[in-house]
Amino acid sequence: DGGITQSPKYLFRKEGQNVTLSCEQNLNHDAMYWYRQDPGQGLRLIYYSQIVNDFQKGDIAEGYSVSREKKESFPLTVTSAQKNPTAFYLCASSPSGANYGYTFGSGTRLTVV
Amino acid sequence: AQKVTQAQTEISVVEKEDVTLDCVYETRDTTYYLFWYKQPPSGELVFLIRRNSFDEQNEISGRYSWNFQKSTSSFNFTITASQVVDSAVYFCALSENRGLPGNTGKLIFGQGTTLQVKP
Repeated sequence: DGGITQSPKYLFRKEGQNVTLSCEQNLNHDAMYWYRQDPGQGLRLIYYSQIVNDFQKGDIAEGYSVSREKKESFPLTVTSAQKNPTAFYLCASSPSGANYGYTFGSGTRLTVV
Repeated sequence: AQKVTQAQTEISVVEKEDVTLDCVYETRDTTYYLFWYKQPPSGELVFLIRRNSFDEQNEISGRYSWNFQKSTSSFNFTITASQVVDSAVYFCALSENRGLPGNTGKLIFGQGTTLQVKP
């Protein structure tokens, strides 16, 4: 079955450490996205990529980095520069353009300890 | 600029009540798509419906129905005879067409409405 896999489901990080969240899709979608969701808040776009080897900053890119070396994969690194990284992170993908909507992964809950 | 507004932050109803979630959008595009997603407590957003700007027919799927009115830029979602399993966060979204000046081909999400259905 096609879909998006995010791993791990839960992640704990010590302050000052970088951590990488995985996102893999087998839907042959061109575009991939990373969102952050805080309790009681909507979705805020971190980064997105509409083609391999290219990506753009979203609304809250500071403290995060991404890569898009393969069509199937769009990992997100939360760096130590991110001041408040504890949140729920959602990855999504879509065919070129958003007219068909997004398919979402099941999310990664990151907690800084 | 494109924008989606879900003015209702939280709604609480008792089981079997009908409930309507409001969604108002702004866009300069003549062709666009509107979506509703459900986010249950497990976290994953689940697709509910996609509607294009040229189709103003209301849609019904079981207990769910959607009312699209271009004249008021609204795409409201009604759950009839609500059930406890309907408790979730619901997001309305608008597609941003690539190729138009300033557009990047993303979905623009509203802030979400948290629906609590009490037994």
